[in-house]
Amino acid sequence: GQQLNQSPQSMFIQEGEDVSMNCTSSSIFNTWLWYKQDPGEGPVLLIALYKAGELTSNGRLTAQFGITRKDSFLNISASIPSDVGIYFCAGALPTGANSKLTFGKGITLSVRP
Amino acid sequence: DAGITQSPRHKVTETGTPVTLRCHQTENHRYMYWYRQDPGHGLRLIHYSYGVKDTDKGEVSDGYSVSRSKTEDFLLTLESATSSQTSVYFCAISATVDQPQHFGDGTRLSIL
Repeated sequence: GQQLNQSPQSMFIQEGEDVSMNCTSSSIFNTWLWYKQDPGEGPVLLIALYKAGELTSNGRLTAQFGITRKDSFLNISASIPSDVGIYFCAGALPTGANSKLTFGKGITLSVRP
Repeated sequence: DAGITQSPRHKVTETGTPVTLRCHQTENHRYMYWYRQDPGHGLRLIHYSYGVKDTDKGEVSDGYSVSRSKTEDFLLTLESATSSQTSVYFCAISATVDQPQHFGDGTRLSIL
């Protein structure tokens, strides 16, 4: 089946630094989504991307839909302690089957004050 | 926040007992989903529903059944719980097949 690759599993950065994380696949996706999960809570949608090449921002977050449709990246600028959490990418297949999102395994981000 | 309530939030039970988890939404969304989240595996789809009484299997459906008798409620049942079903279970909803899914806060289930 389709797989989304997120690596590394964990990232450690200093407060104030920028961080970039990417998500790759051998399959083409029609939609890319980025979620963040805080401990004890469900994933929360950060950014949704619907078109190859699309670049979308949400505050200090910027995400891009790769032009090959096989990858996406998320950038966080000027990190703060509350950015700590697990960041998941998710892709929806070209058939429009958002009912079967494929998720990456997530990257755990730690921010040192 | 999307109006999604999962109950119970925590449950401990014994192997072989039946368990039902409930997902309740106030958004009137058509699509509802059940996932499990395990270390090293991320989120995996168990079952989903595309309308009242319309459900389909996900990638890890064995040992689970679902029911949706009303738009707002989606139930996940473990007929005879096993220790391998110890996990955190998330419900998600979406308005249409093309809209992003929004998640509840999860149910932590431990089967001893």
